[in-house]
Amino acid sequence: AAGVIQSPRHLIKEKRETATLKCYPIPRHDTVYWYQQGPGQDPQFLISFYEKMQSDKGSIPDRFSAQQFSDYHSELNMSSLELGDSALYFCASSFEGAGANVLTFGAGSRLTVL
Amino acid sequence: AQSVAQPEDQVNVAEGNPLTVKCTYSVSGNPYLFWYVQYPNRGLQFLLKYITGDNLVKGSYGFEAEFNKSQTSFHLKKPSALVSDSALYFCAVRATFGNEKLTFGTGTRLTIIP
Repeated sequence: AAGVIQSPRHLIKEKRETATLKCYPIPRHDTVYWYQQGPGQDPQFLISFYEKMQSDKGSIPDRFSAQQFSDYHSELNMSSLELGDSALYFCASSFEGAGANVLTFGAGSRLTVL
Repeated sequence: AQSVAQPEDQVNVAEGNPLTVKCTYSVSGNPYLFWYVQYPNRGLQFLLKYITGDNLVKGSYGFEAEFNKSQTSFHLKKPSALVSDSALYFCAVRATFGNEKLTFGTGTRLTIIP
């Protein structure tokens, strides 16, 4: 079965640079979520999209932005990178149309800021 | 606001013994509850969920969890632990209305001792 695809899997950037992470949800899933997991931390919710519209916003810095495109893929843009942005970034998708559904997570994108 | 507490950072169990990983939650209204497992450098894998109905839910790899509304708990259990069960386990909750985000606990590292 198709899973959530994230790219790149690993990314190394310098401070103050910009990074873009991509997420391709499971086909026919209508909701995409972004989470950030710092070293030894639990995943923290950043932002979500339902049918290409932002549906909820968590602890996402102003330096970060995200969008969902017409083909349902999503991108997380991070600017003015800081050392503290080094983390594992997960994308998840679900089909909310049928209610109460499981979030399926991608393998994550590991961002290292030097 | 919704929250999850996993009171044990680390649980050690001898192979073949029963295991329990504890979770309590706080949410407005009725909860949807989930357990996810994370292996090193991997994404979050869904184990099981409670939506409604029978308080004992069965999931992947022989795991089960018992929903206790009066104690607001959703402990993860397995009758006989395997070394391959060693991983990081996250309990998560979401509200039953709207496209609510999933909120995770801080995780419990389960180590099965051969």
